[in-house]
Amino acid sequence: GNSVTQMEGPVTLSEEAFLTINCTYTATGYPSLFWYVQYPGEGLQLLLKATKADDKGSNKGFEATYRKETTSFHLEKGSVQVSDSAVYFCALRRVENRNQFYFGTGTSLTVIP
Amino acid sequence: IAGITQAPTSQILAAGRRMTLRCTQDMRHNAMYWYRQDLGLGLRLIHYSNTAGTTGKGEVPDGYSVSRANTDDFPLTLASAVPSQTSVYFCASSREAGGGTDTQYFGPGTRLTVL
Repeated sequence: GNSVTQMEGPVTLSEEAFLTINCTYTATGYPSLFWYVQYPGEGLQLLLKATKADDKGSNKGFEATYRKETTSFHLEKGSVQVSDSAVYFCALRRVENRNQFYFGTGTSLTVIP
Repeated sequence: IAGITQAPTSQILAAGRRMTLRCTQDMRHNAMYWYRQDLGLGLRLIHYSNTAGTTGKGEVPDGYSVSRANTDDFPLTLASAVPSQTSVYFCASSREAGGGTDTQYFGPGTRLTVL
């Protein structure tokens, strides 16, 4: 079946620290992979995406590389800011039914000054 | 500002009551979706619609129904609410269904509590 597993939080970092949030997936074929961010009291927003193996998605200093060999799509940022505090969701889009997205459970990040 | 609106923002509902959550988008997107978000479970798809006049079941459709009479609106109905339907509900839309890596845009959510 299709599923997404991401590291459990909460994660607390100091400002300017390096961030990694792990995400691995199980799927048939070559799904598209996404990271969404949810700020307090808001809906999810697309952060970045990748459509095929070795693609790197990037946005706002965040990056993630589609690794087919390890079925992973880890989110990284070199220097986090207080404004990055949010919940981050890894997701995949099914190959067979592109209406179906599978989301991870979310990782809460708090960045302290 | 274009986007997705949901109503109500929050609601407390007695078990057994009927409730309709409203969702409207003004981006002329063909596809729309309803998710529920529960702590520790992430988001799970309830129902979706590829285009006006069509709907489909997602991962957790039981106890919910949807309709898509036009492009803009996609209401979610709980015919007889139960406490396990206490959740945060998100509506989303995307330009096309089934094409490429189309991005989903999310509404602000409705927090529903069933007592």
